[in-house]
Formats: sequence, C-alpha cells, structure tokens
Amino acid sequence: QKEVEQNSGPLSVPEGAIASLNCTYSDRGSQSFFWYRQYSGKSPELIMSIYSNGDKEDGRFTAQLNKASQYVSLLIRDSQPSDSATYLCAVLHNDYKLSFGAGTTVTVRA
Amino acid sequence: DVKVTQSSRYLVKRTGEKVFLECVQDMDHENMFWYRQDPGLGLRLIYFSYDVKMKEKGDIPEGYSVSREKKERFSLILESASTNQTSMYLCASRSGQSEAFFGQGTRLTVV
Repeated sequence: QKEVEQNSGPLSVPEGAIASLNCTYSDRGSQSFFWYRQYSGKSPELIMSIYSNGDKEDGRFTAQLNKASQYVSLLIRDSQPSDSATYLCAVLHNDYKLSFGAGTTVTVRA
Repeated sequence: DVKVTQSSRYLVKRTGEKVFLECVQDMDHENMFWYRQDPGLGLRLIYFSYDVKMKEKGDIPEGYSVSREKKERFSLILESASTNQTSMYLCASRSGQSEAFFGQGTRLTVV
C-alpha cells in the first residue's frame, strides 16, 4: 500500500466551477498535511497546510482533514485558468519523513 | 526570502559516471530531502536527513547515497549512473512541523 494516494485524474473543470481533489494516507500517526501546486517545469509551491481535523480556508482554497478516515482533500472554488497545474498531497510521518502522492493534474477550461 | 539552491539546472552524464548533485539551504533547517520526479509517479523520496551526518533511506534509495557534512548542505551521489536514473531531482528542506521548501530542480540525463 502506498503511503499517500491521490485520485488519479486528470481533472477537467470549467472556469468558475469547483475542483475537488482527494488524498488518503496509510500512517495513522501522521500529524501534518500539505497541498502543493506545481506548474509545468517548475518546483512545487505550498498552497495549504492543515494539522487538525476539520476545514481550513484560504481565499478560494479549502483543505479538509479527517484523521479517523485518514483522508485529506482540497477544494478550489471559482476555478480560474491560472489554477491549471498538478496538485500534490504531502504527509509528514514520524516527524521527519515527508511523502508525496503521485499528483492530480487539473485543467480549467475557459 | 527563503532559499534552497541546487547546483545545476541541467546535467548530462555518461553511464557509469559518478554524479554529485548539491543542495544548499539558507534557512537553518534541520531536515533535508532528495526526491526524484518522473511523469505519473509524483515525487518519490530517495533519502532524507534530520541532522548533520544523519541520514535515512527513503522509498527508492537503491543506486544512490547521500552526504550531509554541514547543516546547510545535502548532497546526492549516484555511484555509477545508469540510464534509468534519468529524471528530475528535487531537493527540499524544512523544520519542525512546517512545510518543505524546494530548490529549482536538476534535470539529469544519463546517456
């Protein structure tokens, strides 16, 4: 079982719609969770971090964490063409090891 | 501004060569990482280090080694480069519970 799994995508949404990205993780003791965005040819950049159960909102982005279900998600509201990128879920295990999912590629259609 | 700097953006090496990829961070972070990224596979962890001279194998350490002699520098070594090590290599650093910051990446081609 992979440590971090994401819905495979690619995901295509019309401009203005909500994009929903999902991620599950295997280590129940994981404490810190991150969503990164990566444009083609660029390095990943942080969008959101979340550490406790529930929702965390930052502008058009909302991260949701459910530790009992070992599930973390990212919602992008009012999707814009500039949101077209690969989104990577990352989970911190044992305070040191940071593991990533394979990523979900999102395309926002104008 | 936080900074993680990788020594080369593009590198072409021959099969069997010993290859060094260098990474330097200026944020006094304890933890440093080396990942490789291949299409469809996301970021796969090769090695990480949580302190000077300390290292841990990641998920795909075979064919690689690392060195961390100083806190700010983490080197990835390909002992004998092979064509299946052609990839994008990303270095990252972090501290505490914070996010990781990435270097600009090194695209390595082994011919």
